[in-house]
Amino acid sequence: NAGVMQNPRHLVRRRGQEARLRCSPMKGHSHVYWYRQLPEEGLKFMVYLQKENIIDESGMPKERFSAEFPKEGPSILRIQQVVRGDSAAYFCASSFRGPSGANYNEQFFGPGTRLTVL
Amino acid sequence: AQSVTQLDSQVPVFEEAPVELRCNYSSSVSVYLFWYVQYPNQGLQLLLKYLSGSTLVKGINGFEAEFNKSQTSFHLRKPSVHISDTAEYFCAVLGHYNTDKLIFGTGTRLQVFP
Repeated sequence: NAGVMQNPRHLVRRRGQEARLRCSPMKGHSHVYWYRQLPEEGLKFMVYLQKENIIDESGMPKERFSAEFPKEGPSILRIQQVVRGDSAAYFCASSFRGPSGANYNEQFFGPGTRLTVL
Repeated sequence: AQSVTQLDSQVPVFEEAPVELRCNYSSSVSVYLFWYVQYPNQGLQLLLKYLSGSTLVKGINGFEAEFNKSQTSFHLRKPSVHISDTAEYFCAVLGHYNTDKLIFGTGTRLQVFP
């Protein structure tokens, strides 16, 4: 059973270009979470999505960043007009079902996409 | 809201020595607690978790952690480390009834020397 897949593993962009990061959740998982890890820092939550719905985007920067999780295909994190400060590792996680009350749903992490902005 | 503090950014230790990585948290609600390990250029792997019950939790690779509610701590321990334990270790919390976002500490780099 394949784990969470992310591609590309490494992405280099010049300032002003667009970056598209893809995440395929584990089989049977319909909940996806994106986290960003800046150099020398821990992971910071960005957004939580279910199929075709954004549930919580409280960690997303207000501009240039967007995320989607269509009915078919992987979840996409899109960064428009990248700047040097966007250089980071972006991790995707998936869970079998979403948060519900006090139940805990384990998040399984992908290997990450390391974005470098020149 | 929750927050996590990992006071030690780096912990150097010799092989076969014991190690403790410290984690303290703050939260106004009950939390679930986790330790993840990140090997170079890889994703996060769950080492262990505390959800409820016994406060001493055993994980993979010989690691264990103890939940101390009065001290709001969840320190990670291993009695004898190996070179292969060299990695970044992250403590994280998940608030009850708000379980969509893990809150991570800034990480502790464990460096094991021969």
